[in-house]
Amino acid sequence: GAVVSQHPSWVICKSGTSVKIECRSLDFQATTMFWYRQFPKQSLMLMATSNEGSKATYEQGVEKDKFLINHASLTLSTLTVTSAHPEDSSFYICIPWKGRREAFFGQGTRLTVV
Amino acid sequence: DAKTTQPTSMDCAEGRAANLPCNHSTISGNEYVYWYRQIHSQGPQYIIHGLKNNETNEMASLIITEDRKSSTLILPHATLRDTAVYYCIVREVTNRDDKIIFGKGTRLHILP
Repeated sequence: GAVVSQHPSWVICKSGTSVKIECRSLDFQATTMFWYRQFPKQSLMLMATSNEGSKATYEQGVEKDKFLINHASLTLSTLTVTSAHPEDSSFYICIPWKGRREAFFGQGTRLTVV
Repeated sequence: DAKTTQPTSMDCAEGRAANLPCNHSTISGNEYVYWYRQIHSQGPQYIIHGLKNNETNEMASLIITEDRKSSTLILPHATLRDTAVYYCIVREVTNRDDKIIFGKGTRLHILP
């Protein structure tokens, strides 16, 4: 299967700081990147969809100014959680996607804001 | 919203076949059925997908009814490592927005 690298796998940050999460597709070019978050004991919720070179499309209820997504190349997308607060503590997962194929998920990033 | 419904949880004895049902009564002709699973605190793992025909790979089999309104994922010889949340997903295709929308999934417990 495809190799997806998501970094960091876990991070603890202080309230008010920003955290950047990277997602790389190592062996294919992803024209689309999906970002999800998952709160404990809940399902994965789609946050935003980004296509390379264009602005991300955010799902209803997701603040675009708080969750900055950059999809600068076909192999790299970043999600920056700005001014993080404890309620942003969650498991964040990326899916680089190309066409009709199976999805390979990043390993996820567990963010804890203290 | 997710276009699938699944039982909240299921139990299966180790070594037996685990049959996980999924209803997707509003599926359209070009939409695929995908199955993923998520083992605790890990990113989801792809299992299998199909359009109309039954599919089999090294992990599982996927049986899709003729009217495509439901499907069943079969793990032929369940092991304790198959304990996970299993998600049945129908892919929405709207121009370039091939979204993957997750429902609540089925929590499968494999019993020793």
